[in-house]
Amino acid sequence: EVQLVESGGGLVKPGGSLRLSCAASGFTFSSYSMNWVRQAPGKGLEWVSSISSSSSYIYYADSVKGRFTISRDNAKNSLYLQMNSLRAEDTAVYYCARKSAPSNPKHYYFDYWGQGTLVTVSS
Amino acid sequence: EIVLTQSPGTLSLSPGERATLSCRASQSVSSSYLAWYQQKPGQAPRLLIYGASSRATGIPDRFSGSGSGTDFTLTISRLEPEDFAVYYCQQYGSSPKVTFGPGTKVDIK
Repeated sequence: EVQLVESGGGLVKPGGSLRLSCAASGFTFSSYSMNWVRQAPGKGLEWVSSISSSSSYIYYADSVKGRFTISRDNAKNSLYLQMNSLRAEDTAVYYCARKSAPSNPKHYYFDYWGQGTLVTVSS
Repeated sequence: EIVLTQSPGTLSLSPGERATLSCRASQSVSSSYLAWYQQKPGQAPRLLIYGASSRATGIPDRFSGSGSGTDFTLTISRLEPEDFAVYYCQQYGSSPKVTFGPGTKVDIK
C-alpha cells in the first residue's frame, strides 16, 4: 500500500524557517517525481514545487522561488521542503504528492497524496 | 500560466441526482491534459479522472469526464451520499508548473 506521511509543520514567526519531511513507503520511491502542494485555510490547491526521481530537475512556483528548497533522499525514501523567509501567506496545509506515470514525463497529475502537515506563520 | 475557472461555485443537489461540473481554461490545454480530484473535509485530495476522461484506479463508473481544448466537464451520474465534497480540476499541459481550479462544492440540498 502506498503511503506518504508528512511531518515538520508547526507555528513559526514571519521571517522564520521550517523543514518539512515526507516519508514514503509501499512503492519504489526512487522511480517517481515528487511534489509539494499546499492549501491555505478554506482555499484551493496550489502547486509549490517538484523534483524529478534523480533530483536532476527541480521546479518552483513563483510565489516560493528563492525562499523554498525541495530535496529528496532516495536511500531514505524521503522528500523534504526547506522553507525560509516565511510569510503569513505561506500559512497552509502542505501535502506531499506523487506524480503518476513515471514512464511519461508529461502525465503530471498526482495519484497519491499524504494527509498533510499544517504550517502557520504568525507573530 | 493557464488559469482555470470552475462553475458553479456551489452545486446543491439531492442524492440520486445528476451533477455536472464545469472547468474552463484560459487557453487550450494540450492533449487534454486535465485531471479532476475530490476532496472531503479534513482529507487529502483524491484523483478521480486524468487525461480528461480516464477514470483512476478504483473510481466508480458514475464518475465521468469529458471535454477538450478549453472546456471540460465532470459528471456524476447519480449522487451517492459519499459524493458530497469539493471537486478541483487541474491542468498539466504546462507541466510541471501545473495549476488548479478554485473548486466546486457539491452539497446536499
